[in-house]
Amino acid sequence: NAGVTQTPKFQVLKTGQSMTLQCAQDMNHEYMSWYRQDPGMGLRLIHYSVGAGITDQGEVPNGYNVSRSTTEDFPLRLLLAAPSQTSVYFCASSPDFTGGVNEQFFGPGTRLTVL
Amino acid sequence: GNSVTQMEGPVTLSEEAFLTINCTYTATGYPSLFWYVQYPGEGLQLLLKATKADDKGSNKGFEATYRKETTSFHLEKGSVQVSDSAVYFCALNRGSTLGRLYFGRGTQLTVWP
Repeated sequence: NAGVTQTPKFQVLKTGQSMTLQCAQDMNHEYMSWYRQDPGMGLRLIHYSVGAGITDQGEVPNGYNVSRSTTEDFPLRLLLAAPSQTSVYFCASSPDFTGGVNEQFFGPGTRLTVL
Repeated sequence: GNSVTQMEGPVTLSEEAFLTINCTYTATGYPSLFWYVQYPGEGLQLLLKATKADDKGSNKGFEATYRKETTSFHLEKGSVQVSDSAVYFCALNRGSTLGRLYFGRGTQLTVWP
């Protein structure tokens, strides 16, 4: 049981490039989400999904796309990378999204730098 | 709206000192409250949680009590260890927000031997 895995761990992009951050979980969780962590700002929700084929925007969705074709995978796409997207990105999953009391499991993060 | 305010860090303590990290929240209704911990180079892990007023969450010697009258969820530990050095995040969730966690800014704790 690997939990939540993310790849790559580190990435450097040039402005205007695109890339996909990968996230996978093997716990059969319905709920998955992406956060970005910036110094002094805590974590902010980018996008989330409550099941395969269902996604929605969070607090800071601009510049990012997601899709959820399977329960296990929830990739995050940066379309045209900008320096403002330099951040640490965390993927999380949870077995239940309705009650709000269940633990969310976080991946180890991807540290992205956009030059 | 929903928000969480944590005390500013960093916090530096000697081993065996008492720790308090303040957390207050703003939310409508009855949120669930959480403390997450992030060790260097790792993702966040749930430390403890409380789901209703007066509940006390506890784990690894850490405690926090859900105080609705003061809208607070302060984290405490009676005797910290070097291994407790990490960033601590207070967070809330409401069922109506579909699993979204609202995080505080995080408090860096460093414990010296």
